Amino acid sequence: NAGVTQTPKFRILKIGQSMTLQCAQDMNHNYMYWYRQDPGMGLKLIYYSVGAGITDKGEVPNGYNVSRSTTEDFPLRLELAAPSQTSVYFCASSWRDTKLAKNIQYFGAGTRLSVL
Amino acid sequence: ELKVEQNPLFLSMQEGKNYTIYCNYSTTSDRLYWYRQDPGKSLESLFVLLSNGAVKQEGRLMASLDTKARLSTLHITAAVHDLSATYFCAVDAQGAQKLVFGQGTRLTINP
Repeated sequence: NAGVTQTPKFRILKIGQSMTLQCAQDMNHNYMYWYRQDPGMGLKLIYYSVGAGITDKGEVPNGYNVSRSTTEDFPLRLELAAPSQTSVYFCASSWRDTKLAKNIQYFGAGTRLSVL
Repeated sequence: ELKVEQNPLFLSMQEGKNYTIYCNYSTTSDRLYWYRQDPGKSLESLFVLLSNGAVKQEGRLMASLDTKARLSTLHITAAVHDLSATYFCAVDAQGAQKLVFGQGTRLTINP
């Protein structure tokens, strides 16, 4: 019963490096999301996907890219890492229940990223 | 643009006391969610409120929704230390595919 799995849990990057944060869910959810949470702050949506092959920008997409080739996986790519991208990144997934229009999101454990 | 505001942002209280966290939002919605986050941990779903007047209770926590006032409350009864956490509300705008989160309320309950 894994739910939403994020890897790695921690990472330190140098300025200008690139990396991919992995996210996988085993609940057959159609919706997936990437958020960042800065210290003491709320969640800001980076990108989201409503199904395989479909992605859209959230509130803070600059400096990030995503793809969704399968229902299960939704990786987040950081190109040319900057100190402003130091944050905790959460992946979430949900099954949008169109009948009741619920959107309960289930979150992964997070990836703590520092860019130095 | 949908905005979600919580207050207070910080709350320190004694065990045994009652208190309420407020969540206001700026556009019409009849779906509101409450999440809990323990320090250094992920978010966990607490309540889903799907209609005007909806009330949900779990232990010492009770959440309610007034869609006409665009307001949800999370009431804590006889607080205990284990309830110390950050609480987030999130609103699902009608027809939208994403949630907008409030800033969070950091609750500390002192013995």
